[in-house]
Order: sequence, then C-alpha cells, then structure tokens
Amino acid sequence: KNEVEQSPQNLTAQEGEFITINCSYSVGISALHWLQQHPGGGIVSLFMLSSGKKKHGRLIATINIQEKHSSLHITASHPRDSAVYICAVMDSNYQLIWGAGTKLIIKP
Amino acid sequence: GAVVSQHPSWVICKSGTSVKIECRSLDFQATTMFWYRQFPKQSLMLMATSNEGSKATYEQGVEKDKFLINHASLTLSTLTVTSAHPEDSSFYICSARVGLARYEQYFGPGTRLTVT
Repeated sequence: KNEVEQSPQNLTAQEGEFITINCSYSVGISALHWLQQHPGGGIVSLFMLSSGKKKHGRLIATINIQEKHSSLHITASHPRDSAVYICAVMDSNYQLIWGAGTKLIIKP
Repeated sequence: GAVVSQHPSWVICKSGTSVKIECRSLDFQATTMFWYRQFPKQSLMLMATSNEGSKATYEQGVEKDKFLINHASLTLSTLTVTSAHPEDSSFYICSARVGLARYEQYFGPGTRLTVT
C-alpha cells in the first residue's frame, strides 16, 4: 500500500462544477503540499499545509491531521484548471513522499 | 508566498554536450535546495540534496559525476547535466527550503530537457 494515496486518479467534469481531490496518507507528517502540473510539465506550488484550511482564489485546501487526510477543492471550475494535481507529504524525517497525481479535465 | 525560479524553462541540446540548469530563490534565502527528476507519467524522484557551501548528497543510483550540483550562494543552485544522452531527457524540478524551517519548501516550475 502506498504511503500517499490520491483519489480519484482521473476526473472529468463540466465547467462550473465543484471539484474535490482527496489525499490520504499513512505516515506522520510535518507538512503537506498540493502542486499543479500542467500538460507541458510546468509545476506550480498551490498550498503548503500543516493544519486547518487555506484558500487562494477559487482553490481551497484542507487538512485533518487526526484522520490523515487532505482535500483540494476547486470552485467554479474552468477548462484552464485542467492539469494534474499532486499531493506530497513531508514525513517526520522531512522527506517528501509523493502521491501519484490526479488528472483533472474540465470540459467547456 | 516564496518564489523559486528555474532557468531555462526548456532546453534542447545535442548528445554529448553539457547543460546547466539554474534554480533561484527570489525572495528568501535557501540553505538547502533539492533537485528532482520526472519521467513521463511518473512521480517526481529526488536526485540530490544541495546545501549551500558544501557538497551535494546524491540519492542512490544517481551519478554524481554526471549530474553536477553547485550551491554557491543562499539563493542559487545549479544542476549541470554533463555529456548528455537522450536517456537524460526528462523534466527537472528544484525546490528550496526556507532558512532553517525544515518543513517549509517551495518548488520551481521545472525545466524540460530534450537531448537529441
């Protein structure tokens, strides 16, 4: 079993829909990252969380330390949100463990 | 938030040549920077950890003589792919740790290297 599990692996939705991507982990962590990777490969750091909730524009990230679970939400989704979203956790040794990514396609 | 830049964003080179990729922390000092590599449809893999003013620590299986890392200042680390071969074609990403905050790390946008 992978230490970091993302779900779903693939998600296709219509423009305007509310999107949720989940990340569950089995190790103790010091922080969790959400990254966005566009088809050309470029990476954008979206959030770094150690507790609670963060919001940036239409993106919201939450983390529940007790349940070892984080979610990334996208409100009013748009085709330009189409990308691979990656969850990565930093374990107690400050090593990053990567999720496999969730490929999101937003159709107009 | 903290910003990490990489240059170039993409590069095409001929087999046998060397390519240098720069990673800069723009608004903070980074005593530690990390270099990752990503093959198509795979997760990022840590190649090496670079500490300012000292030799990089390479992960098992990464050739240190092929992937030269220099972290000469608190805002700049460079990765040089020496004698590049087509199998070195990949996406290279750096990240930088903020000061002594071991968990606070920011990622560069990546560099796509194509070796012909």
